[in-house]
Amino acid sequence: EDQVTQSPEALRLQEGESSSLNCSYTVSGLRGLFWYRQDPGKGPEFLFTLYSAGEEKEKERLKATLTKKESFLHITAPKPEDSATYLCAVEDQGGKLIFGQGTELSVKP
Amino acid sequence: DGGITQSPKYLFRKEGQNVTLSCEQNLNHDAMYWYRQDPGQGLRLIYYSQIVNDFQKGDIAEGYSVSREKKESFPLTVTSAQKNPTAFYLCASSEEALRAHNSPLHFGNGTRLTVT
Repeated sequence: EDQVTQSPEALRLQEGESSSLNCSYTVSGLRGLFWYRQDPGKGPEFLFTLYSAGEEKEKERLKATLTKKESFLHITAPKPEDSATYLCAVEDQGGKLIFGQGTELSVKP
Repeated sequence: DGGITQSPKYLFRKEGQNVTLSCEQNLNHDAMYWYRQDPGQGLRLIYYSQIVNDFQKGDIAEGYSVSREKKESFPLTVTSAQKNPTAFYLCASSEEALRAHNSPLHFGNGTRLTVT
């Protein structure tokens, strides 16, 4: 069965303290892996798409990487405005999108 | 600015009543989707539509109904048959059907439905 698991469920960082969020997946043929950011009471906002193992994408303090079993979202020197829930989603060969439960990131000044 | 508008932001209903959530997009996207978000769970697909006058059930369609009479509109009705309707409902669209490689989902800001 296709599955996406994100860890940790919650992460608290001090401003400037770099860390990584994990998205592990099992899927019958990966078509793409998506990262979204969701602020409280809002809809998810698209960040990155990764298609194949070894691929990396960057945007400001965020860098997403992909292996055959997992993806990492690295956050370098985070700021309080990076606080949000980060969602990972995997698309299988049939076009079905499976979402993880999210990691709630809190960055304290 | 182009985007997806969901209304209302908050909705309260009594058990046994049907309720319709609105979703409008001006992105000229072909595909539209309804997801349900519950605490501690991933987003779950309720219904999706790839083209006007056509829609398909998602993973949790029971107790819900949709229509797609116009390209820009995809309303969701939560019926009294839905056993646990209280949730955060998200509407999304994508440029191409079945989420082609260069076509991520664009989400609205959701409707929080509370049924008592």
